[in-house]
Amino acid sequence: NAGVTQTPKFQVLKTGQSMTLQCAQDMNHNSMYWYRQDPGMGLRLIYYSASEGTTDKGEVPNGYNVSRLNKREFSLRLESAAPSQTSVYFCASTIFGAEKLFFGSGTQLSVL
Amino acid sequence: ILNVEQSPQSLHVQEGDSTNFTCSFPSSNFYALHWYRWETAKSPEALFVMTLNGDEKKKGRISATLNTKEGYSYLYIKGSQPEDSATYLCAFMESGGSNYKLTFGKGTLLTVNP
Repeated sequence: NAGVTQTPKFQVLKTGQSMTLQCAQDMNHNSMYWYRQDPGMGLRLIYYSASEGTTDKGEVPNGYNVSRLNKREFSLRLESAAPSQTSVYFCASTIFGAEKLFFGSGTQLSVL
Repeated sequence: ILNVEQSPQSLHVQEGDSTNFTCSFPSSNFYALHWYRWETAKSPEALFVMTLNGDEKKKGRISATLNTKEGYSYLYIKGSQPEDSATYLCAFMESGGSNYKLTFGKGTLLTVNP
């Protein structure tokens, strides 16, 4: 069972470079989320997609864009990476509403 | 920005001790409260999803209670074991519309010494 798959696992960027973090789930979940984890800050919501065709900003959306490509895939794009975006990024999904989240294994991103 | 507070930030206990931590959240517009267990170098895994005031959930030695009127939830671990060492996260889901947004607290880091 693959669950939630994130790629890449590690990435180093230079300031100003762009990249896309990929996330796919095979559980037929409706809602998908992108979080970032920073020391002392817990998990902060960047963007989420309550259902296919919708996306909404979370707590820290600046500097990011998202695409809900289809029901399975939800990508996060950094158009011009900044050192402040150095973080561990987690994708998560849930069937709907209040149900529990399933997390991917995370992407460790460093922006130099 | 919703305020979800967890206390204590960290906790060291001896093997066999029982322990508990607190999650505080807004007492209005409640929809659900989640608890997750997050081991180092792994991803968070769900422990409980609680939706009703007075809910009590149990999974082995771990249990949780919920008070939505006063905005708090307790997580209890009975007879802590070294493998219980992890960060325990709570997350609050606010009602309203069809967009379900989950806001996490910063977690309680539990270390169980053998």
